[in-house]
Amino acid sequence: KQEVTQIPAALSVPEGENLVLNCSFTDSAIYNLQWFRQDPGKGLTSLLLIQSSQREQTSGRLNASLDKSSGRSTLYIAASQPGDSATYLCAPRFQGAQKLVFGQGTRLTINP
Amino acid sequence: EAQVTQNPRYLITVTGKKLTVTCSQNMNHEYMSWYRQDPGLGLRQIYYSMNVEVTDKGDVPEGYKVSRKEKRNFPLILESPSPNQTSLYFCASSLGGRAFRQYFGPGTRLTVT
Repeated sequence: KQEVTQIPAALSVPEGENLVLNCSFTDSAIYNLQWFRQDPGKGLTSLLLIQSSQREQTSGRLNASLDKSSGRSTLYIAASQPGDSATYLCAPRFQGAQKLVFGQGTRLTINP
Repeated sequence: EAQVTQNPRYLITVTGKKLTVTCSQNMNHEYMSWYRQDPGLGLRQIYYSMNVEVTDKGDVPEGYKVSRKEKRNFPLILESPSPNQTSLYFCASSLGGRAFRQYFGPGTRLTVT
């Protein structure tokens, strides 16, 4: 069964810290992997998309890496700000599947 | 602005009263999909559509119907809603193929009493 695990489930850090969110998936045969941000009760905002042939993608203070062979992706957030507080979801698209498979997310709180 | 829109955003209804949640995208995307999000269960796919007139079941299709008569619209129909369909629903779309980014709508919070 294709599953996605995100660790930690929740994280609380002071403003300004650099932090890493982890995502692992059970099947290395993926087309791509997306990282999303979700604010409470709101929709999903796509942050980064990494294709299976890529190692990393960057957008501003965000950097996502992909190690397909080990079934892992990490989201690195530099110089965290209170506005970064949200739940972060990773979602690979496994080969042969017409859907994204989501992890349970990491709930991030940045304290001023 | 490129976007996926859903209506209504909030809906409270009673068991058995048919309802439709609309989804529309203005990006000329081939692929559209519906997910539901529940605490502890995460996001699960209900139905998807690869193109006009082509739809298929996702992981949790029971109690739902969809149609894709036009490329831009993909409504979700609950013929006889039940309380276990109380959830947060998301519509998504993408260009299609294997490599493209999926864009999500703002969500519809449905409560069935």
